[in-house]
Amino acid sequence: GDSVTQMEGPVTLSEEAFLTINCTYTATGYPSLFWYVQYPGEGLQLLLKATKADDKGSNKGFEATYRKETTSFHLEKGSVQVSDSAVYFCALMDSSYKLIFGSGTRLLVRP
Amino acid sequence: DTGVSQNPRHKITKRGQNVTFRCDPISEHNRLYWYRQTLGQGPEFLTYFQNEAQLEKSRLLSDRFSAERPKGSFSTLEIQRTEQGDSAMYLCASSLADRETGELFFGEGSRLTVL
Repeated sequence: GDSVTQMEGPVTLSEEAFLTINCTYTATGYPSLFWYVQYPGEGLQLLLKATKADDKGSNKGFEATYRKETTSFHLEKGSVQVSDSAVYFCALMDSSYKLIFGSGTRLLVRP
Repeated sequence: DTGVSQNPRHKITKRGQNVTFRCDPISEHNRLYWYRQTLGQGPEFLTYFQNEAQLEKSRLLSDRFSAERPKGSFSTLEIQRTEQGDSAMYLCASSLADRETGELFFGEGSRLTVL
């Protein structure tokens, strides 16, 4: 079945460092891809998405590009802030419109 | 705020007891999902509804779990004869059934602790 694999955390960075969180997927067809974020004490919220190959999703300085050739959707940010500390989940939407999530990557940004 | 609402937010129960969680989705959304999330893991799909019809159930959903969505509005998730392994965060989400724009909107979850 469809699945998502993302790099294990925690990822610890200093403020203003460059961030990459790797995500790869296995699916039949070309699913829509998502990054969700979970801030401490809050619910999951959509960070960005891409619906077809070569699309780039972006929001709040984060970016991810849908790479069909490598079945990847890596999350990047050029300069992280302390407020970006959260758990990030990569997900795909399968053919029955449900999300399948990766296991999450915790990001800790130190001042 | 007209987001997804879940109640109760926390539930502590003894093993063997029954518990019920309620989810009120965003009013115009026709799809409603239940997920379970344990510590350090991503959300795992349990079941979903389109309007009042339950369209899919995960193999994770044992016969002790039952979900309903009467009249296609709010939904309830009941767990009978709870076990310690049921301790988790139960998440509800809603959406419009559109694969292109079908963002799921999540509630803050209902945390279950089984003693």
